Amino acid sequence: DAGITQSPRHKVTETGTPVTLRCHQTENHRYMYWYRQDPGHGLRLIHYSYGVKDTDKGEVSDGYSVSRSKTEDFLLTLESATSSQTSVYFCAISAGRGPYGYTFGSGTRLTVV
Amino acid sequence: AQTVTQSQPEMSVQEAETVTLSCTYDTSESDYYLFWYKQPPSRQMILVIRQEAYKQQNATENRFSVNFQKAAKSFSLKISDSQLGDAAMYFCAYRKQVGGSEKLVFGKGTKLTVNP
Repeated sequence: DAGITQSPRHKVTETGTPVTLRCHQTENHRYMYWYRQDPGHGLRLIHYSYGVKDTDKGEVSDGYSVSRSKTEDFLLTLESATSSQTSVYFCAISAGRGPYGYTFGSGTRLTVV
Repeated sequence: AQTVTQSQPEMSVQEAETVTLSCTYDTSESDYYLFWYKQPPSRQMILVIRQEAYKQQNATENRFSVNFQKAAKSFSLKISDSQLGDAAMYFCAYRKQVGGSEKLVFGKGTKLTVNP
């Protein structure tokens, strides 16, 4: 979507390998988020960032880490991929407090075999 | 604990008819925001409508409107004159304050089918 891009769009990886997903924004928004989407669960928050080098855990953070060294980039790393991490991953950005919705990237479909 | 509940996993509607999707939420805050997102088969998350809790007037966006009942913590989405392009997953979301930050909490979604 305009202002936010995710890469890669699709990835297949083997169990036990590390994987990094990238989210890049051009909106200069302070807040960035990583969600995973699974059937029957909706979207669940993995990690989020409220500024450069400021991150916090969401409800399903086990097995994931994040980094934000620049305003525009937010990386999600699966330290050692497992089959339970097969999912669609969405990055989102927000301008912050106020009547702002979140803008989502197009998602990354990750398959761990 | 589930903060946002969508009790209808699937719904269907005839083209040109009206359908209402249900959403309830749990909060102790007095000022907050609620959203409905649409996810068509393309997977893109699209913001449909938003409601600010301090506003008593229900939000409306063209054929989409909400019935916001603050005391009941209910936030339903009404789609009028349904079109084939409305077929999608619909997610209700509540924006939650967490310390000095905030996050969006989603319901599990309702799959809407539109029959010609």
